[in-house]
Amino acid sequence: EPEVTQTPSHQVTQMGQEVILRCVPISNHLYFYWYRQILGQKVEFLVSFYNNEISEKSEIFDDQFSVERPDGSNFTLKIRSTKLEDSAMYFCASSDGSPETQYFGPGTRLLVL
Amino acid sequence: GNSVTQMEGPVTLSEEAFLTINCTYTATGYPSLFWYVQYPGEGLQLLLKATKADDKGSNKGFEATYRKETTSFHLEKGSVQVSDSAVYFCARSRGTSYGKLTFGQGTILTVHP
Repeated sequence: EPEVTQTPSHQVTQMGQEVILRCVPISNHLYFYWYRQILGQKVEFLVSFYNNEISEKSEIFDDQFSVERPDGSNFTLKIRSTKLEDSAMYFCASSDGSPETQYFGPGTRLLVL
Repeated sequence: GNSVTQMEGPVTLSEEAFLTINCTYTATGYPSLFWYVQYPGEGLQLLLKATKADDKGSNKGFEATYRKETTSFHLEKGSVQVSDSAVYFCARSRGTSYGKLTFGQGTILTVHP
């Protein structure tokens, strides 16, 4: 069964450093998403992406964040200058023409020191 | 705005016990409703969904019915197994094409033999 994959599974970085989280969505899917979950808190929407542009973003998704689909398979989330409060589990998701049903990857656990 | 509220956890049951995890949502728009499950060390997996009032989603012995009159989508299973131990998340879509999901806080379920 096709699945969403994410790399790395864990990332430790120093405050102020740039990180890139990578996702490979399910191959025939058209809608892509990033969510995050701070330890002990809810899963929160960050951004959705369709047709090579951001379709919606939350107030969390400020100028420090960016997304890109550099080729036909990868979908990346970049944090330019990480802060301590960016420590969280980051989930990528994708969906097909039924955009409300989203399939999630296993997540990347980011720790900012 | 949109929100989802789940019953407080953790929930601890013996094998073969009946499970209910309560979920209510804000009644704005025409959302689809979902239950996701997160097994230890894994990502979010779609467990079941319902797209309109009175629909019943079911999978792996779990069921949930979309109740518009009570704005609820409670998860039930008649006889839980140890392998059902996981975190369960209720979620709603916005009811528009881009399908941003709003999650509840998650309920930890532990099933003992």
